[in-house]
Amino acid sequence: NAGVTQTPKFQVLKTGQSMTLQCAQDMNHEYMSWYRQDPGMGLRLIHYSVGAGITDQGEVPNGYNVSRSTTEDFPLRLLSAAPSQTSVYFCASSRGQDTQYFGPGTRLTVL
Amino acid sequence: GENVEQHPSTLSVQEGDSAVIKCTYSDSASNYFPWYKQELGKGPQLIIDIRSNVGEKKDQRIAVTLNKTAKHFSLHITETQPEDSAVYFCAASYRDSSYKLIFGSGTRLLVRP
Repeated sequence: NAGVTQTPKFQVLKTGQSMTLQCAQDMNHEYMSWYRQDPGMGLRLIHYSVGAGITDQGEVPNGYNVSRSTTEDFPLRLLSAAPSQTSVYFCASSRGQDTQYFGPGTRLTVL
Repeated sequence: GENVEQHPSTLSVQEGDSAVIKCTYSDSASNYFPWYKQELGKGPQLIIDIRSNVGEKKDQRIAVTLNKTAKHFSLHITETQPEDSAVYFCAASYRDSSYKLIFGSGTRLLVRP
């Protein structure tokens, strides 16, 4: 199993540009989440999904959209990037009330 | 909402000594408390977790204790080794759902050889 994969690893955007961060898992986990990690602030939950077709907001959802059309994929969309969205983004998946497995992260810089 | 505070932010110990990291949480409904280790350039990896029906859990050199009354939990690493050097995060479940975690701000542990 590849586990949780994320692409790209690095991305630089200009303010106002849009992009999609990809996340995929091959463990047949129903739960998937997106977090952002900023210095001195730990990880903060952006959006999560409890199964295909079901998504909900976390602590810091503004400026981000998600969808879950398949069990495997959970993309995160930035519709109009802002410098405040410069961060490292992690995707995670789990089976029910079990261990969350994290991907390697995407480092995003918005100029 | 849930809030998790973690201390200290940095910790330096001599190889072989013990290290203790402490966290407090605000929501008494939280029932799941994992600890993650993050190495440079990688995603967090679970090292140990504890649920609210247990007061202590141990796995080789790592142990976690939970005090539900005081709403705090701690990570204990004994006989530290240089490879234990990393950033450690505590977390608490949000609204009784372990797949929605609220993280502490992290502790950078340095084990000096």
